[in-house]
Amino acid sequence: DIQMTQSPSSLFASVGDRVTITCRASQRISTYLNWYQQRPGKAPKLLIFAASTLQSGVPSTFSGSGSGTDFTLTISSLQPEDFATYYCQQSYSTPRTFGQGTKLEIK
Amino acid sequence: EVQLLESGGGLVQPGGSLRLSCAASGFTFNNFAMNWVRQAPGKGLEWVSAISGSGENTYYADSVKGRFTISRDNSKNTLYLQMNGLRAEDAAVYYCAKDPRYHWNSGWFDPWGQGTLVTVSS
Repeated sequence: DIQMTQSPSSLFASVGDRVTITCRASQRISTYLNWYQQRPGKAPKLLIFAASTLQSGVPSTFSGSGSGTDFTLTISSLQPEDFATYYCQQSYSTPRTFGQGTKLEIK
Repeated sequence: EVQLLESGGGLVQPGGSLRLSCAASGFTFNNFAMNWVRQAPGKGLEWVSAISGSGENTYYADSVKGRFTISRDNSKNTLYLQMNGLRAEDAAVYYCAKDPRYHWNSGWFDPWGQGTLVTVSS
């Protein structure tokens, strides 16, 4: 199975900050990498697919990059509703696996 | 608008069985593969199972293979997960999620239902 490792596991930031979350795959996965946001008590929501394609309706403050084994999710200017947990997920091979999550909290 | 509505969760004893359902609307159900993904309380996300648009091809995580069965009824726009031999470690919120294509390969999960809680305890 492909292991996905996110860093950091938790992150404290303020409204207006720029933040970056990193996801590393245990083997090369091209750009088969997706990002999700999960707010407390809610279902996950797709933000970015294929490493850098913004899902329809997702604010342009979110962006993704990377290929191979190293990927990043960047939020250019944090809004109050962005404080949530973020997961990366690979779709290169079965089983599809997720990172352990990064909890973004208010400083 | 695409909507997915899970049901069937509840409390079950270890070794017991449960069948989850996911009612889909707002899209042509038989044109898309579907997934089950679970989340144990306070934990991360784990993909469980998937099925192609026709139902011909199914896929399972090793942790549930041989105990869980995914199926779909395209005439009812409904996805199912039959769970047998339940263990304490199967306790989780179970989400159904739509795949972007007919065949299950290289896709992502979007959207997700609201989830249904399965508790395994004596």
